[in-house]
Amino acid sequence: QQQVKQSPQSLIVQKGGISIINCAYENTAFDYFPWYQQFPGKGPALLIAIRPDVSEKKEGRFTISFNKSAKQFSLHIMDSQPGDSATYFCAASRSRGSYIPTFGRGTSLIVHP
Amino acid sequence: NAGVTQTPKFRILKIGQSMTLQCAQDMNHNYMYWYRQDPGMGLKLIYYSVGAGITDKGEVPNGYNVSRSTTEDFPLRLELAAPSQTSVYFCASSYPTPRTDLRGQYFGPGTRLTVT
Repeated sequence: QQQVKQSPQSLIVQKGGISIINCAYENTAFDYFPWYQQFPGKGPALLIAIRPDVSEKKEGRFTISFNKSAKQFSLHIMDSQPGDSATYFCAASRSRGSYIPTFGRGTSLIVHP
Repeated sequence: NAGVTQTPKFRILKIGQSMTLQCAQDMNHNYMYWYRQDPGMGLKLIYYSVGAGITDKGEVPNGYNVSRSTTEDFPLRLELAAPSQTSVYFCASSYPTPRTDLRGQYFGPGTRLTVT
């Protein structure tokens, strides 16, 4: 049972464009939604996270949009750069009790120069 | 701080052999986790621990064992290696709950294991 569905599986964007990755979750008890960035040969690293009390969070060129009623959240990368080429994972968890995130399957992003 | 460290970085095993993947963290995190990552399949939780002496199964525990005798160390044991265990293994650690928006899991660099 896939509790967090992520799309697309792969994404190719031109430099300067906007990259958009979407995730949907099923468990309404989830209240913490992080995004991780993974470069080849490295472990994932936390990029940005959001709680459902806000609909949007921005950190530089990275923005999370959150739609609680639709149980969806997305990552927007503005002015995409070749250095953003990586695999991105969304995740969802409860912020209280055991912190056991459920991960999406990942999106491989390639930004062409 | 070194963060989360894993050894070895690469290993080739023959079918039926056993090995231990080492993981250590120096951030005094209570929670530690083991994941495996296969292409296109995301991160699958193998085992996790909420503190020294306490471990629990994740989504894919078969063929693996863990122990947590100290806060810092969380080794993963593979018994009777099988080709299906060929994967990249990541160890991670965290606080019990996200303490701020940027306090999620910290991952190690991974161990790439091939079983032939």
